Order: sequence, then structure tokens, then C-alpha cells
Amino acid sequence: DQQVKQNSPSLSVQEGRISILNCDYTNSMFDYFLWYKKYPAEGPTFLISISSIKDKNEDGRFTVFLNKSAKHLSLHIVPSQPGDSAVYFCAARPSLGGSQGNLIFGKGTKLSVKP
Amino acid sequence: KAGVTQTPRYLIKTRGQQVTLSCSPISGHRSVSWYQQTPGQGLQFLFEYFSETQRNKGNFPGRFSGRQFSNSRSEMNVSTLELGDSALYLCASSWGTPRSGELFFGEGSRLTVL
Repeated sequence: DQQVKQNSPSLSVQEGRISILNCDYTNSMFDYFLWYKKYPAEGPTFLISISSIKDKNEDGRFTVFLNKSAKHLSLHIVPSQPGDSAVYFCAARPSLGGSQGNLIFGKGTKLSVKP
Repeated sequence: KAGVTQTPRYLIKTRGQQVTLSCSPISGHRSVSWYQQTPGQGLQFLFEYFSETQRNKGNFPGRFSGRQFSNSRSEMNVSTLELGDSALYLCASSWGTPRSGELFFGEGSRLTVL
């Protein structure tokens, strides 16, 4: 049973516009949510995170929103740039029995930003 | 500073063989985690080591094992390889505390089982 779901395998946006990547989770017992970006032939790179007690975290062009009642989080990239084209993974850390290295990942969304 | 280093980057094995993958974490990091990435399943947590002790384990069979040395370097071993073990194996390191969740990943070891 998949606890972290990214239902859109791909997303295409125009350069300069907003990219919105979505993630749903089924387990309420997560204390941290994270977004990672992955280029081909490279390991995932940490982008931004949010604690379960917050509903928004912003870092430059990247903002993550958390809606706990809907068990949904989203990553907004504004403005989108061609260099943002990559696979984006949503991840969550279990609060019970979890540890810093134990994350549950979604299957990823491939973002393509067109010039 | 140097990032997470994984060796080898690519390897090909046949069914029934065993394989050992190595990971050197970022200097000062005491936690090392291993993940398996496949096209169908995404990234799946294998295990985490902290100060030479396994402190968390994912849902993988006993053929998958690991260890961590006193210098925080880690190895994972897969015995009796199966075709389904073909995957990208990613190592990630972190300080271990506090529980912020940020992991730093290596580039991975791509294993092909024939």
C-alpha cells in the first residue's frame, strides 16, 4: 500500500510560469515532509521541507504548502526555469518508529519546463 | 566539502551471485541510509545505520544486509541475486540528529542482474 502518492507522472509548463507539483499521503503519522529533485545519472538533491506543524514554507522560488486535513502537500515553483526540468520526489518521515534516514518516497513527477 | 561517494557506479552480475556496494558519507555525518530505486517502485528504504548500529530497516528480504564501520563508511550486500534486484542503489548520509529529515544522496550504484 503506497503511503505517499504522486499521481501525476509528468508535468509540462512554460518558462516563467508557475509549476505546481502535488503529493498526497495516507498516513497521518508523518512529522516531516520533503521535496527532492533528481537529474538523470545523479542522486536526489534536497529542495525544501516542511514540518507537520506548519502549513507553508518558502525558500526563494520554491514554496511548499501542507494541508493536513486533506493529507495533501504541493510544491510551487515560481517562476519556472528550464534548469528546473527534472524528476521531483515527495517524501515523508514517519513520526513513530522513524528516524532521520528513514523516508517514504512517492514515485516522482517529471517536470519539463519549455523555453 | 566532498559529497557522498558510492562505488562502484556500475556493475553487472548474474543470478545467484552476491554483490557488495560501498558508501562514504559526507565528513562528520554519522547516519547512512540505503535506498533502492526501480522504475516501478520509486525509492524504497532499505536500512539506516548510525554509529555502527542498524537503527531502522525497511521491508526487504534477509538477502539484503549492511554494516557501518567506525569511520561511518557503510557497505551493503545482496546475496543470491535475483533478476528483480536490478536497480539503482542510493546511499544517503546525514548528521543523524536533529530530526530535520534532510538527507544528502550519492550518485548511486547501478546494478544489473543477468
